[in-house]
Order: sequence, then C-alpha cells, then structure tokens
Amino acid sequence: DQQVKQNSPSLSVQEGRISILNCDYTNSMFDYFLWYKKYPAEGPTFLISISSIKDKNEDGRFTVFLNKSAKHLSLHIVPSQPGDSAVYFCAASAFSNDMRFGAGTRLTVKP
Amino acid sequence: DTAVSQTPKYLVTQMGNDKSIKCEQNLGHDTMYWYKQDSKKFLKIMFSYNNKELIINETVPNRFSPKSPDKAHLNLHINSLELGDSAVYFCASSPTENSPLHFGNGTRLTVT
Repeated sequence: DQQVKQNSPSLSVQEGRISILNCDYTNSMFDYFLWYKKYPAEGPTFLISISSIKDKNEDGRFTVFLNKSAKHLSLHIVPSQPGDSAVYFCAASAFSNDMRFGAGTRLTVKP
Repeated sequence: DTAVSQTPKYLVTQMGNDKSIKCEQNLGHDTMYWYKQDSKKFLKIMFSYNNKELIINETVPNRFSPKSPDKAHLNLHINSLELGDSAVYFCASSPTENSPLHFGNGTRLTVT
C-alpha cells in the first residue's frame, strides 16, 4: 500500500522559472514530511522538511507547503537551476522511525 | 570522511547464493536502516535498528537478516538469493525519530 504518492514521474522546466513538485499521502497519522534529492549513483540527500503543525517552510530557493486537509504537500524551487536536475522523493513518517517514500519525480531544468 | 558508507557498490551473483552488504556510519547516530529500491523506484523500508534492537521489520522474507555488531554498523545478510531480490539496497542512519535520514550511495544487487 503506497501511503505516499508522487503522481508525476517527470517534470521539465526552463532555467529561472519555478519548479513545483507535488506529493499526496493517505495516512492521516503522518506528522513529519520531507523532501529528498537524488542524483544518479548516489543515495538520496535531505533537502527540506516540515512538521504537521506548520503549513509552510522555506530554505533559500526551496519552499515546502503542507495542506493537511487535502493530504497534499508540494515543493517549490525558485528560481530553478540546471544543477537542480535530479530525482526528488517525498517522504513522511508518523511518530516513528518508519519513514515512507514516494516513487520520485525526475526534474529536468533546461538551460 | 563519508558519513554513511556501504560496500560493495555492485554485487552480481547467482540464484541460491548467500551474500552480505556492509554498512557503516560515522555520524554517531542512534538508528540505522536498510531500504530497498525496487524496479518501480519505490524506496521501501526493510529494517530499522536502534541501539542494537530491531524495531521495524516490514514483511521482509526471513532470508534477509540484519546484523549490528555495534551502533555504527548494520550489515545485511541475504540467504538463498532469488531473482526478485535484484534491486538497489540503501543503508541509512538518523540521530532520532522523525529526523532526516542520511543515506549511503547504495548497493546494486543483480541476481542471475
């Protein structure tokens, strides 16, 4: 049962524009949400997180938005840069070490 | 000075063999994990070890056994390998519950 879903396998944007990556979840007990970035032949690296008590968290060019009623979160990258091209994983956990991941969205930023 | 390191990076073996993947973290984290990334690219948790105690086992076949000689190491042993075990296996660690995971670079296992 995939409790974390990323329905867009790929996204392509122009350099300098905004990238919006989406994620939906089904488990209402999730209280901590994260985005990871993964380059080929490397492990995922942590990018940004948000707890369920917030609806927005910002870190430089990266902002994560959480809509608990819709069970939806999104990652905004502004402005997008070619180095942002990678696979982005959404993840969530519920008061535990059991972190669930989505299948990832491959972002391509074109120069 | 790699934070989470796993070896080997690639592992090709035949069905029925027994193999091990090693993982070490130098971050001083309390919890270590093994994740499997299957052909559909989902990252699925297999095991979690906290202070040498297994705390999660996600319906993984008992052919897979994690072994933790100390807090900095969590090795994965796989017996009687099957074709369906082919995947990329990631080791990870975290300092506490509900904190970001630090991943190794993965071990691509191919069973022929």
